[in-house]
Amino acid sequence: SQKIEQNSEALNIQEGKTATLTCNYTNYSPAYLQWYRQDPGRGPVFLLLIRENEKEKRKERLKVTFDTTLKQSLFHITASQPADSATYLCALRNTGGFKTIFGAGTRLFVKA
Amino acid sequence: DVKVTQSSRYLVKRTGEKVFLECVQDMDHENMFWYRQDPGLGLRLIYFSYDVKMKEKGDIPEGYSVSREKKERFSLILESASTNQTSMYLCASSLSFSGLGRQKDTQYFGPGTRLTVL
Repeated sequence: SQKIEQNSEALNIQEGKTATLTCNYTNYSPAYLQWYRQDPGRGPVFLLLIRENEKEKRKERLKVTFDTTLKQSLFHITASQPADSATYLCALRNTGGFKTIFGAGTRLFVKA
Repeated sequence: DVKVTQSSRYLVKRTGEKVFLECVQDMDHENMFWYRQDPGLGLRLIYFSYDVKMKEKGDIPEGYSVSREKKERFSLILESASTNQTSMYLCASSLSFSGLGRQKDTQYFGPGTRLTVL
C-alpha cells in the first residue's frame, strides 16, 4: 500500500541546535516533495519544494534533502529558535498524479 | 501575497443539519481544494476543483458535496452533518496542474474551520 510517514513523536531540542525531521514514503514515485509549517489552529504554510532530480535545497536556515533510493526526505532547521516550534508536514505529488499527499506531520518544540 | 479566507473559524452544528463552509481566494488560482485534518491522520482530500463548475472526488467524499460557481469561491456542503464529521476543515488553492515539479503546484491554505457536530 502507499504510505507517507513522519515521526509521530514530538521532537524536543534546545535552542541553537539543528532540528532534523524525517519523511519516508512507500510505493510512490514522487515528482517532488514539499515541506509545510503549521502552527496550532492555523492552515499549513509552504516552506520548500525539492524536485526528484535535486539532492538538496536550501533557504536561509532551512535545508531539505531528497534521496529517491532511500525513499526519504530530511528537513533540517539550523540554529533553531523557539519561534521554530510548530508542526512540519511533508507532502508529495506522485508522477502523473494530480493529488498532493500529505504526511501527518511532526511536532517540533524548541526550548530556550 | 495570496490570501485564502474561510467563512468561519469555529462552527458548532447539530446532527442532521445542513452545513455550508465557504472559501474564497484572491489570486485567480485555477485549483481549489477541501481537506479535513484529524489528529494522527494528516490532511485528507475531500474534493478538489480545477475550474469553475468542475469538481473531482478526493479520498473521502462520502457525506460531502461541493460547489464552484465562481473562480474565487469554493463551497463545501455537509448534506446532513454527523458527529464523525467533527474535524478541522482546510481550504487551499493553487495555480494549476501545470506539469511536474513546478512551483505553481504549491498550495496556499486558509486558516481553517473547526467544526463540531453535536
